[in-house]
Amino acid sequence: NAGVTQTPKFQVLKTGQSMTLQCAQDMNHEYMSWYRQDPGMGLRLIHYSVGAGITDQGEVPNGYNVSRSTTEDFPLRLLSAAPSQTSVYFCASSSPAGGAGSYEQYFGPGTRLTVT
Amino acid sequence: AQSVSQHNHHVILSEAASLELGCNYSYGGTVNLFWYVQYPGQHLQLLLKYFSGDPLVKGIKGFEAEFIKSKFSFNLRKPSVQWSDTAEYFCAVNAAGTYKYIFGTGTRLKVLA
Repeated sequence: NAGVTQTPKFQVLKTGQSMTLQCAQDMNHEYMSWYRQDPGMGLRLIHYSVGAGITDQGEVPNGYNVSRSTTEDFPLRLLSAAPSQTSVYFCASSSPAGGAGSYEQYFGPGTRLTVT
Repeated sequence: AQSVSQHNHHVILSEAASLELGCNYSYGGTVNLFWYVQYPGQHLQLLLKYFSGDPLVKGIKGFEAEFIKSKFSFNLRKPSVQWSDTAEYFCAVNAAGTYKYIFGTGTRLKVLA
């Protein structure tokens, strides 16, 4: 298994440009999520999905869109990039573990995005 | 709402010193608890987890954590740190039966050789 993969690893955008961060997992996990990591703020949840066709907002959803057409893929779209979106983005997927109601989360390698 | 607090933002230790990183959470129900480590330039890796049972949990690389339910705490410990433990450590909480995780803001550990 490749686990959780993300592309690209690095990206530089100009303000106003759009782009899609790709995330895929080959573990047949139902739950996938996107986080952004900023210094001193830990990881903050942007959007998440509990299965194909089902998405919901996390803590910091503004400026980002997601869709989940398949179990494997969960792309994150920036519609009009802003300098405030400069961050490291992590995708994660979860599987049940350790008994009913317990889930373990696996992270991708991250995408470092700079918006100028 | 759930929240996770990591009170130590930066910790500097010498090799062989003992480590304890604090983690407190606020949530009244049953929780699953995690510690993740992020080495420089890398993604998050699971150090250890608590779902149920023995509140003293042992993880990889000699780390352990103790869940004290009455204190809503899940502190991370290691008796003797190494230079290679230099990393950022994140505590995370997941309300049992849900998918969502809440992360603390992280603690940056620097171990001096």
